[in-house]
Amino acid sequence: DAKTTQPNSMESNEEEPVHLPCNHSTISGTDYIHWYRQLPSQGPEYVIHGLTSNVNNRMASLAIAEDRKSSTLILHRATLRDAAVYYCILRPINNAGNMLTFGGGTRLMVKP
Amino acid sequence: GAGVSQSPSNKVTEKGKDVELRCDPISGHTALYWYRQSLGQGLEFLIYFQGNSAPDKSGLPSDRFSAERTGGSVSTLTIQRTQQEDSAVYLCASSLGGSSNQPQHFGDGTRLSIL
Repeated sequence: DAKTTQPNSMESNEEEPVHLPCNHSTISGTDYIHWYRQLPSQGPEYVIHGLTSNVNNRMASLAIAEDRKSSTLILHRATLRDAAVYYCILRPINNAGNMLTFGGGTRLMVKP
Repeated sequence: GAGVSQSPSNKVTEKGKDVELRCDPISGHTALYWYRQSLGQGLEFLIYFQGNSAPDKSGLPSDRFSAERTGGSVSTLTIQRTQQEDSAVYLCASSLGGSSNQPQHFGDGTRLSIL
């Protein structure tokens, strides 16, 4: 399975934008890029996903490099509630029912 | 709307006892997954249900673990003769379908502690 690489931790100030990077140099043409996050003592929470084009939703934006070997999750204005571990994962298109496999993720700390 | 609901939120039991964990998925979601997560670790897949198809049980760690899904909705994960290494947070997720384009929505899990 294609692997992703993320920094172990990042820090941000409240109300400032945050850019969380993810490298996936061995991505295949049929892999979706998904982002989840997990707040302390809660289950994982879906954030966003995309294939080739940049994506926006109410939670975040996903910027995908033209060669798809990297992507960036963008939180436009960090809040204290955004402090969590963020996971970038690849999910093959034609693998119905495939389970999620999280790597180490990036622990985001938000300072007031 | 209502999300995935799991009960109990916490369960403490003695080694050797059986436990049942319950998951109420989001209404209309045909796919249901069970995972477990040990402290500070990633997700460990256990079992996957999709509609009326036979479940994918490939992640169950031993025959002490079983799960069923009644009427395509509520699911129960049963652990027989619990061992201390079964202590973990057990997470349930559901999605509209099983394709990788469908996000999985998680409950907050059941924290299981085996004494």
